[in-house]
Amino acid sequence: NAGVTQTPKFQVLKTGQSMTLQCAQDMNHEYMSWYRQDPGMGLRLIHYSVGAGITDQGEVPNGYNVSRSTTEDFPLRLLSAAPSQTSVYFCASSRGGVDDEKLFFGSGTQLSVL
Amino acid sequence: RKEVEQDPGPFNVPEGATVAFNCTYSNSASQSFFWYRQDCRKEPKLLMSVYSSGNEDGRFTAQLNRASQYISLLIRDSKLSDSATYLCVVNIPGNTPLVFGKGTRLSVIA
Repeated sequence: NAGVTQTPKFQVLKTGQSMTLQCAQDMNHEYMSWYRQDPGMGLRLIHYSVGAGITDQGEVPNGYNVSRSTTEDFPLRLLSAAPSQTSVYFCASSRGGVDDEKLFFGSGTQLSVL
Repeated sequence: RKEVEQDPGPFNVPEGATVAFNCTYSNSASQSFFWYRQDCRKEPKLLMSVYSSGNEDGRFTAQLNRASQYISLLIRDSKLSDSATYLCVVNIPGNTPLVFGKGTRLSVIA
């Protein structure tokens, strides 16, 4: 029972580099989302998806792209990394709609942009 | 006014103490309320939902006050293992994602 799997756990990038954070869930959840968490800022929603082929912007979408080609996968792409994107990133999924109580989170990705 | 507000703490309490946190929300039409727990450097996990009539799970009690637009979490007989950050989570009507508060940090001291 893998649940929500995020990779990598740690990543260091140079300014301007691009990369993709992977997120996969094996629970057949329709809803998936990406958050970033910074000290004193709490969890901030980047992008979310209510099903395959559907994505929407959250609170802080700039500098990030997402796609949802399958129910299982929801990758987050950083187009041109900036130091301001240094953060901990969490992927989450839920069975129900966008306000389903039971959000399952991945274990997080610690990203540093130099 | 922010959508969901919490006292960031930290709350430093001795083992065995009772501690309570409040969380205020701005949208009077919100219907769903939750408390999540987040350990240091870990992902958040659902602790409990908050129902209109209040609910209890062992040492934890959650209550909703619609008139004053806040929810509360009471922890009795605090354990060292209760040390964590507690996140208040509220829905915003209109089929939008849940909104997380910034969290209240609790440290239970031996």
